[in-house]
Amino acid sequence: QKEVEQNSGPLSVPEGAIASLNCTYSDRGSQSFFWYRQYSGKSPELIMSIYSNGDKEDGRFTAQLNKASQYVSLLIRDSQPSDSATYLCAVVRAGNQFYFGTGTSLTVIP
Amino acid sequence: NAGVTQTPKFRILKIGQSMTLQCAQDMNHNYMYWYRQDPGMGLKLIYYSVGAGITDKGEVPNGYNVSRSTTEDFPLRLELAAPSQTSVYFCASSGTPGGFNYGYTFGSGTRLTVV
Repeated sequence: QKEVEQNSGPLSVPEGAIASLNCTYSDRGSQSFFWYRQYSGKSPELIMSIYSNGDKEDGRFTAQLNKASQYVSLLIRDSQPSDSATYLCAVVRAGNQFYFGTGTSLTVIP
Repeated sequence: NAGVTQTPKFRILKIGQSMTLQCAQDMNHNYMYWYRQDPGMGLKLIYYSVGAGITDKGEVPNGYNVSRSTTEDFPLRLELAAPSQTSVYFCASSGTPGGFNYGYTFGSGTRLTVV
């Protein structure tokens, strides 16, 4: 079982719609959760972090964490073509081990 | 504030050649990491360092070496390049162990092709 699992996609949504990206993790002791955005040919950039159960909102982005289900999600409201990228889920396990998922490719169609 | 700087951005190596990928950060971060990213395979940890003089292997260390003589610099050495080392290499740093609380800051990457 992988430490962090994501659906590789591609996920396509029309402009203005909500994009929903999902991630599951294997270690119940995981402490910190991150979403990175990576444009083609570029390095990952941190867009959201979440540490407690529930929702965390930042502009058009909402991160959701459910530790009981070992599930992290990222919602992007009012999706724009500029949101088209690969989204990487990252998890910090107990012992400060940092694991990345393989990423979900998102395409926002104008 | 430059963050994490990687050089070169692109390089083509012949099989058997050696090279050093440079990485420098100006954020006074103790923790530094080297990842490689192959298409569709995600990021795989090569080596990491928790401070000057201390390095350790990650998931895929074979064929690579590192050193950490200063807090700022964390070069990655490729000896006897092989086609399997064709990849994009990212250096990253964090101010906390494992990026806890604040995540990683990534460099812009080095695209390496071995022919």
